[in-house]
Amino acid sequence: DAGITQSPRHKVTETGTPVTLRCHQTENHRYMYWYRQDPGHGLRLIHYSYGVKDTDKGEVSDGYSVSRSKTEDFLLTLESATSSQTSVYFCAISGREGNGYTFGSGTRLTVV
Amino acid sequence: AQTVTQSQPEMSVQEAETVTLSCTYDTSENNYYLFWYKQPPSRQMILVIRQEAYKQQNATENRFSVNFQKAAKSFSLKISDSQLGDTAMYFCAFMKREKTSYDKVIFGPGTSLSVIP
Repeated sequence: DAGITQSPRHKVTETGTPVTLRCHQTENHRYMYWYRQDPGHGLRLIHYSYGVKDTDKGEVSDGYSVSRSKTEDFLLTLESATSSQTSVYFCAISGREGNGYTFGSGTRLTVV
Repeated sequence: AQTVTQSQPEMSVQEAETVTLSCTYDTSENNYYLFWYKQPPSRQMILVIRQEAYKQQNATENRFSVNFQKAAKSFSLKISDSQLGDTAMYFCAFMKREKTSYDKVIFGPGTSLSVIP
């Protein structure tokens, strides 16, 4: 589905460098989310947004920040990447109540 | 806080056979939604089936059906006539039904299903 896209799809970065992942939606949905996926943990919520400039923390927010300056874009920044942030990152959007999420295709981030 | 448990990290099934994936959850809420998501090797997350807690009838989508036991807080997924394309990671997920605020979804750790030819 072209309604939500993530970039980049893969990235390798060095410890200590800042990294920004982008999520773009064309559905005009209010709610957007960033999750990370790790073996044995499923998907865990990092941050979410409920409107332009309205964001809040999820359960694993340490070391991450987000910004949402437009309805369609939700950025996730790793301020100083660490090896523990090696993961697959998913962006998601939700529209009608109870319909669950539509996911982006994910970003595999490796911190070396 | 809500939690979702999937006690089977890995499962396998012969092609054309039936397999059931288990999921239990913990919540004090009465109104909520439950989901099963599929993640094939392509990494894309795909919604397989959803269940509304206030509906007693079990949801069905083609070869996929659920056994929803609200009192037991159990939500298992049955895949009938398994196909090679069903090979994937399957995630059980819970979402509280909010009057306002956002739709936060809680995911289980996943079950890796392999369909054997």
